[in-house]
Amino acid sequence: TQLLEQSPQFLSIQEGENLTVYCNSSSVFSSLQWYRQEPGEGPVLLVTVVTGGEVKKLKRLTFQFGDARKDSSLHITAAQPGDTGLYLCAGPYNFNKFYFGSGTKLNVKP
Amino acid sequence: NAGVTQTPKFQVLKTGQSMTLQCAQDMNHEYMSWYRQDPGMGLRLIHYSVGAGITDQGEVPNGYNVSRSTTEDFPLRLLSAAPSQTSVYFCASRTRGLTGELFFGEGSRLTVL
Repeated sequence: TQLLEQSPQFLSIQEGENLTVYCNSSSVFSSLQWYRQEPGEGPVLLVTVVTGGEVKKLKRLTFQFGDARKDSSLHITAAQPGDTGLYLCAGPYNFNKFYFGSGTKLNVKP
Repeated sequence: NAGVTQTPKFQVLKTGQSMTLQCAQDMNHEYMSWYRQDPGMGLRLIHYSVGAGITDQGEVPNGYNVSRSTTEDFPLRLLSAAPSQTSVYFCASRTRGLTGELFFGEGSRLTVL
């Protein structure tokens, strides 16, 4: 059982559609991060959320941290083919261990 | 800007062989870590280091050794490779604080036959 569970595991949508990816845990996190990974490359940080209930926007991407700091969501509005990739949530556990979720593989078809 | 550099990018080993994956960073980050990535499993933490001379285990440390003699370098050693260690390995360094950012290398794809 992973500390951070992501859903869905796979998502294939048409360009212009909206989608939401979820990251859930039974543990409380001081912060959560979202990374995006493209094939053949390492993950790259998109955002960090710190405060329970916090909402952050990055162009068409909206990130939310749950009130209890056990979950987070990523919402993409009007998805584009350039959004295709693997989306990973991550958080610190026991101060220095940074754990990742299992990832959501997004494919946006033109 | 080099960032985090991993070598080699690809490696094929036979069962029982040993090898070292190299990782170097030029950002003066105290924190460095190794992850392995398998399909459907995200990234799993193998070992990490909070500074030169200090290392600790992550989620999946068995079969791997690390050392940290300098701030820049954090090699990962496979002592006796097994097919279960076939994976893509990522090295990452991190800025300070609980909200610090992880910077990843491009990965090393290892196949154990």
